[in-house]
Parts: sequence; structure tokens; C-alpha cells
Amino acid sequence: EDQVTQSPEALRLQEGESSSLNCSYTVSGLRGLFWYRQDPGKGPEFLFTLYSAGEEKEKERLKATLTKKESFLHITAPKPEDSATYLCAVQALLFYGGSQGNLIFGKGTKLSVKP
Amino acid sequence: GAGVSQSPRYKVAKRGQDVALRCDPISGHVSLFWYQQALGQGPEFLTYFQNEAQLDKSGLPSDRFFAERPEGSVSTLKIQRTQQEDSAVYLCASSYQWRDSQVDGANVLTFGAGSRLTVL
Repeated sequence: EDQVTQSPEALRLQEGESSSLNCSYTVSGLRGLFWYRQDPGKGPEFLFTLYSAGEEKEKERLKATLTKKESFLHITAPKPEDSATYLCAVQALLFYGGSQGNLIFGKGTKLSVKP
Repeated sequence: GAGVSQSPRYKVAKRGQDVALRCDPISGHVSLFWYQQALGQGPEFLTYFQNEAQLDKSGLPSDRFFAERPEGSVSTLKIQRTQQEDSAVYLCASSYQWRDSQVDGANVLTFGAGSRLTVL
């Protein structure tokens, strides 16, 4: 069964204290891995897509990396405005090479950054 | 429109009532998804449309749940005879392309703010 596990469930950081969020996945074949940010009362907002092991993408203080079993979201020198829930999701390959339509999401990591 | 619009934002229903939730996707987006998000959980897939065709409804939890997108744009998620376990945020998302494209951005879902359903 395809599944996504995120850790930790919650993370409290001081402003400027760098850290990483983990996303472990089990999928028959990976079509793509997605990171989203979700603020309270809002829908998830897209951050990154990673397609193959070794790929990295960066955006401001965020950097996402991908291996064959997991992805990391590295946060460098976070600011209070980075506080949010970060969601990881995978899109699976189908046996004939096509792509599963839907994304499978993890439960998320709730990040709090204190000034 | 500029984003995905969902209405109502909040809905309180008595157990047994029927509810209808509306999603207005980004203009021109062919793919539309419905997800259910319980408190403290990640979104869970309900159903997927490509234009007006419902290609996957494997995530609908029971036959009380029904979704349609008759003209390939606006979609409605209907829940009949609501139960307390239906209480959740219902998220709609759209994408201009899906499936096998590896073009950057093709598989990106843009989500609406959600409709929060509370069943008493």
C-alpha cells in the first residue's frame, strides 16, 4: 500500500535555528514528490515538485531534497513567518507507466518559529 | 478567476441533512480534485475529474457522497444524510494538466480555502 509518513509531527524552533523535516514514502513507483505549505484556515500552497533521486530545489530559506526512500525539507535561518504546517505528498506511477491521478498526503509537520 | 473558489466556507448541518459544496476552479484548468481533511490530518483523496469525466471516485467513503462536474468547470460535492463522522474540511483543487506530463507546473494542484462542514 502506498503511504507517506512525516516526522516530527511538530517542531518548535527559535528564529535563526536551522532544521530539517522528514518525509518517508512507500510507493510502487514514484512519479513525483510534492511539498506544500498550509496556513491555518487556508488550503495547501505549492512549494516544490521533485521527480528523481538526487534532485534538489530551493526557494528562499527552504531547500527540498529527494532520495529513493525519503525527502527532506531543510529550513535555513527560519523566521516567524515560516510558521505553518508542511505537507508532503507523492504521486504514484501505474503499472503500465501512466500516472496515478491523485496525490497521497502525509499528516504534515507543524512548524512554529519563535522570535 | 484568480484562484480556486469554494462555497460555503462554513456549513453547519444537523445529522441526516443533505449538503452541497461548490467548487469554482481556475479558468481553463481541466483537472479537478476533491479532498477531505480531518482536524490534524493530511488531505485524503475523494474523487478526480478530467473535464466533465469523473475518472476516479475510489476515495468516496460511502454511497452518500456524490460529485459532479457537468460542464467541465464548476463542481459540486453532495453529501446525503450527513453523519457526525463527515465533519471535516472539504478541499477542492485544480490543475491545468495532469497525468503523464513532466512539464514543470503541470502536476501542481492549486487548492481552494476549503469548506468546513460541522455535523451536529
